[in-house]
Amino acid sequence: SAVISQKPSRDICQRGTSLTIQCQVDSQVTMMFWYRQQPGQSLTLIATANQGSEATYESGFVIDKFPISRPNLTFSTLTVSNMSPEDSSIYLCSVVIGTGNTEAFFGQGTRLTVV
Amino acid sequence: QQPVQSPQAVILREGEDAVINCSSSKALYSVHWYRQKHGEAPVFLMILLKGGEQKGHEKISASFNEKKQQSSLYLTASQLSYSGTYFCGSRFQGAQKLVFGQGTRLTINP
Repeated sequence: SAVISQKPSRDICQRGTSLTIQCQVDSQVTMMFWYRQQPGQSLTLIATANQGSEATYESGFVIDKFPISRPNLTFSTLTVSNMSPEDSSIYLCSVVIGTGNTEAFFGQGTRLTVV
Repeated sequence: QQPVQSPQAVILREGEDAVINCSSSKALYSVHWYRQKHGEAPVFLMILLKGGEQKGHEKISASFNEKKQQSSLYLTASQLSYSGTYFCGSRFQGAQKLVFGQGTRLTINP
């Protein structure tokens, strides 16, 4: 299993500013992902954080808006840039250990409110 | 590509059974089931693999019909602790990412 520490757990930000969310895992993991979950909705994949290379973004998400870093196998950051109220959501980090068809583990999430 | 779940919501009395379905228009490599309680992270329940392998968890079991590209989650003799939103996640061949369905909200009343 994996223990994921995600920071901050919540924040209230002014529109036009940026917030960086950190995801720290207690073991080396193969894959790290960032999801967004709006209240009462499903989990939408933003991007796959690749170690040592650029993240792979899903349709509708771009690097300029959601820059991602992954400097090593245990840590990643997601930045929400130039925020607007539409960015208010829960952002979750998820990891997969190993390369087989294994389960995903999730951080507790960051609840972001943009005012 | 997002799998479709049904029903969207279920209300049960403790001890009753429920079935949640998840279907995909694209060929699945595996289906994952998660439960999320309000304000918490999703928690893994089980994986269903190609070949129809079925894996159970306590009184929760699931099946995977490759022909129909459909998975079903069976909750037997439901307990209050089963309340939450259930998500199926689809994994496709060659990809590690999970694409989640829209969720099924399960409410268990005493």
